[in-house]
Amino acid sequence: EDQVTQSPEALRLQEGESSSLNCSYTVSGLRGLFWYRQDPGKGPEFLFTLYSAGEEKEKERLKATLTKKESFLHITAPKPEDSATYLCAAPKPGYSTLTFGKGTMLLVSP
Amino acid sequence: NAGVMQNPRHLVRRRGQEARLRCSPMKGHSHVYWYRQLPEEGLKFMVYLQKENIIDESGMPKERFSAEFPKEGPSILRIQQVVRGDSAAYFCASSPLDDETGNTIYFGEGSWLTVV
Repeated sequence: EDQVTQSPEALRLQEGESSSLNCSYTVSGLRGLFWYRQDPGKGPEFLFTLYSAGEEKEKERLKATLTKKESFLHITAPKPEDSATYLCAAPKPGYSTLTFGKGTMLLVSP
Repeated sequence: NAGVMQNPRHLVRRRGQEARLRCSPMKGHSHVYWYRQLPEEGLKFMVYLQKENIIDESGMPKERFSAEFPKEGPSILRIQQVVRGDSAAYFCASSPLDDETGNTIYFGEGSWLTVV
């Protein structure tokens, strides 16, 4: 069964303390790895799509990377407004539907 | 460009009643997806629809749940005879027919169903 696993489940950082979130997947024939951000009471907000091993994408303090088995979301010098749950997802083979991990809840303290 | 629109945002139903959740996809999008998010759990896929067709309903409970995406109008997720376990956030998402950026899906703000 295709699976997407995220770690850690929760992460607490001080403002400015860089770290990484992990997403490992066992989806066969991967056709993209997606990262979303979700704030409490809101829908997931699209961040990045990565398609091939070695690919990297950046947006402000976030950088997503992809290997053959996992993806990392690096957060450089985070700010309190980066606090959110970060979700990664991979598409089911043959469909557009996404299988999501349970997410990493990030809390950045001032 | 308006995003994915869902309504109602919050809905309270008594056990045994019906819940209808509506979703209008982003302009130009013809693929609609419904997901459910329970407390302490991740987003779970329910159903994938295109206009007048159900493409994948492998995540939909076999009973009481149904979904449609008619030729005209919004997509509807219908839950009959609701039970307390149906209390959750229901998210709709959409994607374009031909997306050069891949199969990126964009989510609405969700409909929060509470069954009392």
